Amino acid sequence: QVQLQESGPGLVKPSQTLSLTCTVSGGSISSGGYYWSWIRQHPGKGLEWIGYIYYSGSTYYNPSLKSRVTISVDTSKNQFSLKLSSVTAADTAVYYCARSDPIWYYFDYWGQGTLVTVSS
Amino acid sequence: QTVVTQEPSFSVSPGGTVTLTCGLSSGSVSTSYYPSWYQQTPGQAPRTLIYSTNTRSSGVPDRFSGSILGNKAALTITGAQADDESDYYCVLYMGSGISNWVFGGGTKLTVL
Repeated sequence: QVQLQESGPGLVKPSQTLSLTCTVSGGSISSGGYYWSWIRQHPGKGLEWIGYIYYSGSTYYNPSLKSRVTISVDTSKNQFSLKLSSVTAADTAVYYCARSDPIWYYFDYWGQGTLVTVSS
Repeated sequence: QTVVTQEPSFSVSPGGTVTLTCGLSSGSVSTSYYPSWYQQTPGQAPRTLIYSTNTRSSGVPDRFSGSILGNKAALTITGAQADDESDYYCVLYMGSGISNWVFGGGTKLTVL
């Protein structure tokens, strides 16, 4: 059973960079075959796909966030990470990591989510 | 900009049947968008229900079914139960290098 767990600071100051890591267990990122995504949910709102990375390092980002987003992978630790720069209060959200199926194009496993608040 | 539309709210009686829909602000939803559906209760991560239009995820009861109805994707719950009261999100795959995945705004389903 694949499990994903987000970790990182719960509070980030405006204009700084939000950094989160997703640790994967029960499956290996380096075995390929899946995309590894970040998704966020603003308080009381819907979900927004941020971007994904493949084990090779290939990435795709949501065009609305592309200029501020970097997703990276560390296959030795079986982790992938999100960096979102120049954050504002509008980036306050629950951030989820998820595994994406590249054949049927859906999210089959999700982390529990972590709340990141942007505030001074 | 592509907008995926869902009913903001819906209600169903226990034991009843309800169909939630997922449309596009411009155009029709087809199987080529690989519509998927997720259930979310407060404070929890989304749970995958349906993928590729009509395939149930592992462990999902068969009272949940997906389809294309007219120009929209649809999620039908047959024999609604109290614990089906949740938010339901659809996601459409827009294609690599475009927006990839776009979520609908979600439907809050009340069972009463």
